[in-house]
Parts: sequence; C-alpha cells; structure tokens
Amino acid sequence: GAGVSQTPSNKVTEKGKYVELRCDPISGHTALYWYRQSLGQGPEFLIYFQGTGAADDSGLPNDRFFAVRPEGSVSTLKIQRTERGDSAVYLCASSLGSGSSPGELFFGEGSRLTVL
Amino acid sequence: QKEVEQNSGPLSVPEGAIASLNCTYSDRGSQSFFWYRQYSGKSPELIMSIYSNGDKEDGRFTAQLNKASQYVSLLIRDSQPSDSATYLCAVNEGTGKLIFGQGTTLQVKP
Repeated sequence: GAGVSQTPSNKVTEKGKYVELRCDPISGHTALYWYRQSLGQGPEFLIYFQGTGAADDSGLPNDRFFAVRPEGSVSTLKIQRTERGDSAVYLCASSLGSGSSPGELFFGEGSRLTVL
Repeated sequence: QKEVEQNSGPLSVPEGAIASLNCTYSDRGSQSFFWYRQYSGKSPELIMSIYSNGDKEDGRFTAQLNKASQYVSLLIRDSQPSDSATYLCAVNEGTGKLIFGQGTTLQVKP
C-alpha cells in the first residue's frame, strides 16, 4: 500500500486479556517505530526496529509489552494481561532512515485500544 | 531524564498573525529536530526538520534552532484557521530514537 497500515483501527478488550496490534510499513522502509499516545499528550516512544532487530526497546513500560518484526517488514506489538492503563492510541511509523538518522517518520492512523 | 518540553497552550492568534511555538530539550547530544502537525483525531505529519543552528524557512513556516540554549522554535506567518492543530516538537537524540514533546495546541481565530 501507499502508506503505513495499522490493524485493527479499534480494539476493545477486557482487563487481563491478550492483544496484538499489527503494523504494515511503507515498502522499502527499514526503520519502524511504535509509539503510544494518550489524550492530550504527545506520542510516547515504545520501541524502534532497524530491519528485523529491535534497535531500542527502552520505552516498553514493562515485560507485558513485546514487539516483533521477523522479516523486516510487518511488525506486531503484543500486550499480555492488559490493564486499564494500557488504553491509548498505539501509533506505528516507518522511515527510510538508517543508523542514527531517522529522517521523516510516516505514521499510520493508529490502533485505538480500550481496556475495560 | 531526557525530555522535550513544550507549553501545552492553547495558543490563540488571530487570522493573519504570526504564531510562535517553542520547545526546549534536555539532551545536549541531540542532533536533529522536527516539527510535526497533528489535527484532532489524526496522526502526526512532518512539516519541518532542522539540523544546524539558525533559521530554516519553508513557505509560511520558519524553524529556528539554538543548540547552545537547547531551544527550537517554529514560526507560522500569516496564520490561517486551517493551521489550527497541535504542533509536536520531536528530537533525535543521536541514536535514531525520536522523542516527542507533549505538543502545543494552536487556535487561529477568523
């Protein structure tokens, strides 16, 4: 596709359940980022990948959060034992940048997660 | 704690005026700086990037960077109601990791 695609666009789940959020980046983009955004706040960094490897996962809040990018393209963010505080919009972005220079990030429309 | 700080606003300006948005960052090693615009309910989109001290102009937008003061600003000339949005300052710490501020909400009144 032409842009970054995220699915699902909306996810409502119950506390304690497992959730997967998927991101399909722009073709050819080597860098992929996950952010979390709560109402009235800026995007909060979670993790970014260069190719298949996580270059920096320092933003993952705890071990309930995990992300993979096995073939260097599509990425999945996995959240175990969801809590109400995990409710937010999860944004994925990709870029052509490599190494220390991210360049322009292109964002998907986000996955809105609501934990009841 | 590495941080990017912005005044959350709202900043209200009349149509046709200059809007001035400011951002400070804490990591002196930061190498590149970006301004993103986010309309309500939408995702951020890049409007300006700046890498060296001084001014960079693109149409009605001017980004200003002062690394000694750890300060980045965005000026919007001839503000239009369509400029009403949240403006996010983002900083690359030199590792490829991009950190965003909380954003400043701009309201341009006709």
